[in-house]
Formats: sequence, structure tokens, C-alpha cells
Amino acid sequence: GAGVSQSPSNKVTEKGKDVELRCDPISGHTALYWYRQSLGQGLEFLIYFQGNSAPDKSGLPSDRFSAERTGGSVSTLTIQRTQQEDSAVYLCASTRTSARGETQYFGPGTRLLVL
Amino acid sequence: AQTVTQSQPEMSVQEAETVTLSCTYDTSESDYYLFWYKQPPSRQMILVIRQEAYKQQNATENRFSVNFQKAAKSFSLKISDSQLGDAAMYFCAYRSPRGSGNTGKLIFGQGTTLQVKP
Repeated sequence: GAGVSQSPSNKVTEKGKDVELRCDPISGHTALYWYRQSLGQGLEFLIYFQGNSAPDKSGLPSDRFSAERTGGSVSTLTIQRTQQEDSAVYLCASTRTSARGETQYFGPGTRLLVL
Repeated sequence: AQTVTQSQPEMSVQEAETVTLSCTYDTSESDYYLFWYKQPPSRQMILVIRQEAYKQQNATENRFSVNFQKAAKSFSLKISDSQLGDAAMYFCAYRSPRGSGNTGKLIFGQGTTLQVKP
């Protein structure tokens, strides 16, 4: 079946511009995570969605970052007024809600470069 | 807070040989999950193997196996009969069970780049 997809694959933007990154999780997966992979910080958690519950935004680095998940499926990560330190690979992962130990399946990521 | 440490930034192995990647973690939890993910240049994170902390038996997936030492908080990955396609960055990751305020987010180590020499 189809895996997690992300778009765009690569994004180059100018400092100060807003960007939107999209994630399509695996059909039927109710939990969705965003992570950021950067040279300086490694892989870090950003935000978590589970069904209709309020998202866990504890990993968002600043208020310039926001995310939403519409209809319990597609998610969009928005970065406003981008800064050079936002340059990174943004990874999305989804998982079924199961009793124990569900595995997170990752998309191919969006590489963001802020000039 | 939980932490994961991979002390080997780079490793190399000859094709068909065996290599072991190290991972240690710190936690006060007794129930958790450990994972090894592979990330080739395509960026796609691929699950290699997983281990439930409550299981004493070490997980095995074909040529991949782990040495899980719960008391020592160690979780190493052994790759047997290494193949050129195994070349990638490998990440060790920790996850608490979801519930009781835990999101089930993955906490990653810094990664180990594995080179496979023909």
C-alpha cells in the first residue's frame, strides 16, 4: 500500500518568507508526528496529532511554527518569517493507534533551505 | 528526560563481514521501546528492528539482530553478512508507551554513518 508522502521534496525560500510543508499519512493511521532533522540539533520532535485530540505542540521551537491536521488525515506544517536556522529536513511519520508498540512510518521528508 | 547516545559517528565494514553499532540510553522508565532506523541518502527513514523492553529475548530480523542489555541500558545493532545496500546512516531511537501524558514521540541518537567497502 501507499506509504507516507510529503511535499514538496525540496523547498528553497528567502529569509522572511512563509512556507507550508505537507504530509499525507498512511490511510487509516490516526497518529501523526512531525520531526526536524538538522546538522546542529539532530532529529527532534516538533508536534504530535492523535485523532481529534488537541495536538501536543511541545516540540515547536518558536511561535513562527504552527501545524494543523484537517479531517484527521493530511497535515500542514507552516513556518512564518523563515530564518536561516530553519533550514533542515522536515520529516513526517504516522502510526496506527494500537494497544502497544506501534511503529512509526516515515515519509521521505522535505528539505528546506532558507537563503 | 530520556536521552539516547550513539558514540560512533562513523563505522566501516568490509562486504560480507559483521559490524556492531552501539547505542546507550538513559531513562527512569521500566516500560519502553527501542528501535533502529536506517536512513539512506534518499532520506527515507526505514525501520530495521524494534525491541520491547519487557521482552528479554533479543530481537532478530534476518541479518540484523540486537543485543539488548536492560540493566546496562545498552541496545547495540549487529549486522551480519554486510551488503553494499546496508550503507546508510543508522539511528537508535527510544519511545515511551503512549498514554499518561506521553505522546509516544521518538527520541533519537545522533546517528552512525555506516560505510560498506566492496
